[in-house]
Amino acid sequence: GAGVSQTPSNKVTEKGKYVELRCDPISGHTALYWYRQSLGQGPEFLIYFQGTGAADDSGLPNDRFFAVRPEGSVSTLKIQRTERGDSAVYLCASSRSSSGANVLTFGAGSRLTVL
Amino acid sequence: EDQVTQSPEALRLQEGESSSLNCSYTVSGLRGLFWYRQDPGKGPEFLFTLYSAGEEKEKERLKATLTKKESFLHITAPKPEDSATYLCAVQAGSNDYKLSFGAGTTVTVRA
Repeated sequence: GAGVSQTPSNKVTEKGKYVELRCDPISGHTALYWYRQSLGQGPEFLIYFQGTGAADDSGLPNDRFFAVRPEGSVSTLKIQRTERGDSAVYLCASSRSSSGANVLTFGAGSRLTVL
Repeated sequence: EDQVTQSPEALRLQEGESSSLNCSYTVSGLRGLFWYRQDPGKGPEFLFTLYSAGEEKEKERLKATLTKKESFLHITAPKPEDSATYLCAVQAGSNDYKLSFGAGTTVTVRA
């Protein structure tokens, strides 16, 4: 597609529920990233995919968070047993490659609110 | 650990009133320093990449500069449409795919 597409744009859920957030990157971009942005803060790195594999998941806060990219294109961020502290905007980005000082193109984000 | 600090947190300008935003960083092995613009409800939008001290880049009313410890984003004769949050980020060391962001400077330009 022309840009990075994220769905849903907004998600309200109750504490303890399971949530999936989807990211459709720019066609041809092999690298895909998830970031989390809390109010008044800059984005924080969660996980990076090169192709189908997670090359670095060191930013995932705990084992309730998991992400997949089974065919090397669309990615899903999965959050189990959601907590109020998970409320934030989840941003997805993609880039043509991961080498060098590559430019990331971000989507508009999925705003998650946990009640 | 990479550290990026932006100042001020917020900046209110009159249309045409030029100013500068600061991004100071502490990293090991800078690969690139990035400036992004973020509008409310949107994702960050790429503006510039700077690679080495002394480098400068310009785009319309924006000019970014880089030293060994900090970067400045100069806004010349701003217009209301320049109102946004400006984010600075670094890529460093062996993790050259990972961006470490500052908290941003929110700029409001009044007509």
